[in-house]
Amino acid sequence: EAGVVQSPRYKIIEKKQPVAFWCNPISGHNTLYWYRQNLGQGPELLIRYENEEAVDDSQLPKDRFSAERLKGVDSTLKIQPAELGDSAVYLCASSGGQGLRNEQFFGPGTRLTVL
Amino acid sequence: AQKITQTQPGMFVQEKEAVTLDCTYDTSDQSYGLFWYKQPSSGEMIFLIYQGSYDEQNATEGRYSLNFQKARKSANLVISASQLGDSAMYFCAMSSYGNNRLAFGKGNQVVVIP
Repeated sequence: EAGVVQSPRYKIIEKKQPVAFWCNPISGHNTLYWYRQNLGQGPELLIRYENEEAVDDSQLPKDRFSAERLKGVDSTLKIQPAELGDSAVYLCASSGGQGLRNEQFFGPGTRLTVL
Repeated sequence: AQKITQTQPGMFVQEKEAVTLDCTYDTSDQSYGLFWYKQPSSGEMIFLIYQGSYDEQNATEGRYSLNFQKARKSANLVISASQLGDSAMYFCAMSSYGNNRLAFGKGNQVVVIP
C-alpha cells in the first residue's frame, strides 16, 4: 500500500515569490492534515480537512496561505507571497478513522527555503 | 489548551542498551490519547506507540513501551535493546476527544553508537 506522497521534496525560492505544495493521502483516508515544522520544533497543525471540507484552519495564516482539497482526495497548500519566516518543513498527513486513537500517517515533507 | 513538554538534551546511547525519553503533558481533558512518533533524518514521522488516558495497562509495541503515570501527567517512552537504526528525533504528541488535532512536543534527539 502506498503511503502519503508529497511533492516537491525540496523547494528554494526568493521572498515574495509564490510556492505550492502537493499531497496525495493514503487511499481511502478521509482526513487530511497540513503541518508546518520549524527547525528544532515539533509539527504544528495548519489545516485539517474532512473529505473536501476544511474543518480546522484556525492556525492557517490566511493572509498569505491557502489550501484546497478538491474532490476530497489530493490537496494543495499555497503560500503567496512567501516570507523569510516561512522557511520550514511542510508535512502532510492522513488518517482513516475517528476517535482518540486516530493514527495519522505522514508523508516525507517538503523542505522550503525562502531566501 | 494542550501542552507537551520534552526537555531532555540530545542523548547518546550505546547499542543494545535501553533508553528512556521523557514526556510530560498538560490538559484539562479527561479523555485523551498520547502518541510517540519517530522522525529519522529522512523527514517522515513514523508512528511508534499509543496510550489512551483510560487504558489501565502500559502500552507495548515490540521494543517500545510507554511508562504512563497519569497522576504525574507523564508518558515516557522506553526503547529496549537500542539499534543503530533507532538514531532519530522522537516526538511525544497528544490528542483530545472530539479533536483530531495532534499537539506535539519539541522532540528528543537520540543517537545510538556502536
